[in-house]
Amino acid sequence: DSGVTQTPKHLITATGQRVTLRCSPRSGDLSVYWYQQSLDQGLQFLIQYYNGEERAKGNILERFSAQQFPDLHSELNLSSLELGDSALYFCASSDRVETEAFFGQGTRLTVV
Amino acid sequence: AQSVSQHNHHVILSEAASLELGCNYSYGGTVNLFWYVQYPGQHLQLLLKYFSGDPLVKGIKGFEAEFIKSKFSFNLRKPSVQWSDTAEYFCAVNLRGNEKLTFGTGTRLTIIP
Repeated sequence: DSGVTQTPKHLITATGQRVTLRCSPRSGDLSVYWYQQSLDQGLQFLIQYYNGEERAKGNILERFSAQQFPDLHSELNLSSLELGDSALYFCASSDRVETEAFFGQGTRLTVV
Repeated sequence: AQSVSQHNHHVILSEAASLELGCNYSYGGTVNLFWYVQYPGQHLQLLLKYFSGDPLVKGIKGFEAEFIKSKFSFNLRKPSVQWSDTAEYFCAVNLRGNEKLTFGTGTRLTIIP
């Protein structure tokens, strides 16, 4: 158990819909990262938050957004979903000092 | 542009064979290097990491990796693999002081009993 909790584990939704994925980082970790893992694109960095502020942005679509709340949990919002958004979405957290990331179990999103 | 390359996409070995998975990076600056493993249906777990010091790093489960700065490489090795090593292996890099990790595309390792 990495200490990073993601909910839900599985999500099936229709095209055009909006979903919210939730991540609780390890206790004390200020950084939260979101990654998308798909068969064709591998593990892609989406976005990073540090102590509530956006710190780095990767290949995140405009239909996607994220935020980190004062209690440090984070949510990834995916809207106007398309079939191609089906993927495993991982959250990771890190302590700035250690700089290694610990990953959650992921949320498997299936868009039908 | 910063990038991480793993040239072996799928490696198939018999049990007890030796393993070496390649990882090369393209970064300007001081880097931290990582190898993560993802067992089927599970999340990524850290195998080993290099921040500084001895370039030969030992990790869990008998894995090790060697940082060769002149070659921008951080290859993963294991002298004798087991069936339970079947998994996907990811190399990752970040710049010192920047937590954002960039991952390679991964290498799928299949061990045949």
